Amino acid sequence: DGGITQSPKYLFRKEGQNVTLSCEQNLNHDAMYWYRQDPGQGLRLIYYSQIVNDFQKGDIAEGYSVSREKKESFPLTVTSAQKNPTAFYLCASSIDGQAPLHFGNGTRLTVT
Amino acid sequence: GIQVEQSPPDLILQEGANSTLRCNFSDSVNNLQWFHQNPWGQLINLFYIPSGTKQNGRLSATTVATERYSLLYISSSQTTDSGVYFCAVERPTQGGSEKLVFGKGMKLTVNP
Repeated sequence: DGGITQSPKYLFRKEGQNVTLSCEQNLNHDAMYWYRQDPGQGLRLIYYSQIVNDFQKGDIAEGYSVSREKKESFPLTVTSAQKNPTAFYLCASSIDGQAPLHFGNGTRLTVT
Repeated sequence: GIQVEQSPPDLILQEGANSTLRCNFSDSVNNLQWFHQNPWGQLINLFYIPSGTKQNGRLSATTVATERYSLLYISSSQTTDSGVYFCAVERPTQGGSEKLVFGKGMKLTVNP
């Protein structure tokens, strides 16, 4: 079945460590996105990519980095520079930048 | 930037009741999507609706882009409808790339 796979589901890290969240899709979608969700809040865009080897900052890119070396993969690295990294991270994709958005099941990151 | 406001922020219903969720946005948009987030965090795309009316089973949505609002109707609500409903709008950005901006969501609780 086609879909978006995020791993792991839960992730725990110590403060000061970088951590990479995985996002893989087999939908053959060109566009991929990373969102952050804090309790009781909406989703905020971290980074997005319309094509391979190209990506743009979203509204809250500071302290995060991404790569898009393959169409199906869009990993997100949460660096030690991110001041409040504990959150629910959601990866999404769409056929192109104007199509319906489909989400993975998310990764809950806890940094202590 | 564009503002997206959803109302009401919270709603509690008895099973079988109908409800209307509203999304207002502050500027012209290219597109609008409705999502449902279940209690486990999974986000499902309900409607991709730039204008007009669509129906999918007990759910329907109407967007009046010229008046900058969209409505999501839920009829004969079921306990599985519980969760958070998000409205998200697309706006053009520099270079023509589209980015979805999410509202803060509306929490629906359907009691048996």
